[in-house]
Amino acid sequence: DAGVTQSPTHLIKTRGQHVTLRCSPISGHKSVSWYQQVLGQGPQFIFQYYEKEERGRGNFPDRFSARQFPNYSSELNVNALLLGDSALYLCASSLGVRVRDNSPLHFGNGTRLTVT
Amino acid sequence: GIQVEQSPPDLILQEGANSTLRCNFSDSVNNLQWFHQNPWGQLINLFYIPSGTKQNGRLSATTVATERYSLLYISSSQTTDSGVYFCAVARNNAGNMLTFGGGTRLMVKP
Repeated sequence: DAGVTQSPTHLIKTRGQHVTLRCSPISGHKSVSWYQQVLGQGPQFIFQYYEKEERGRGNFPDRFSARQFPNYSSELNVNALLLGDSALYLCASSLGVRVRDNSPLHFGNGTRLTVT
Repeated sequence: GIQVEQSPPDLILQEGANSTLRCNFSDSVNNLQWFHQNPWGQLINLFYIPSGTKQNGRLSATTVATERYSLLYISSSQTTDSGVYFCAVARNNAGNMLTFGGGTRLMVKP
């Protein structure tokens, strides 16, 4: 089975632009979460979607938005990019809304966004 | 929100040595996971361990929920163990909203 896939792998944008990052969960997984990892720090939670509904939102500005499609894939959108948005954006999927022993969180390889 | 502190922040080992990584958290949690991030950025789940002890090969983990800490043991370390080890926690009503610690950066030298 394919793991969590993210695209693109790398992206360079200019301040003020908009970006869309994509994620396909593991087949059968209905929950997708997004995390931002700034260099040298641990990942920070941005959003969780389950069955196409938002189930959690982290402490990020309204410039960040996301959605989940009927096939459970997801997009993360960031408007009006700032230099500080440069980071590795990680997508994770799981079977259910909560991680359990038989349904751990699986991460993709991430999209590395550079804002210049 | 929950605070998660990991120690030590950096660790250098000679191949074959053993090590213990610690994770302290500030509140009751129902979800605790250990992850390994390899030099290419890939995050791999090692253990789901909100309480008790688990072992997987050379790795084992123990969480004492009542005292709000977890330990990750690495025995007979190998160069491929290098990378960053993260502890992440969540309350039961927080879904997959994991709070990560700052990580322990491990380098295993041949």
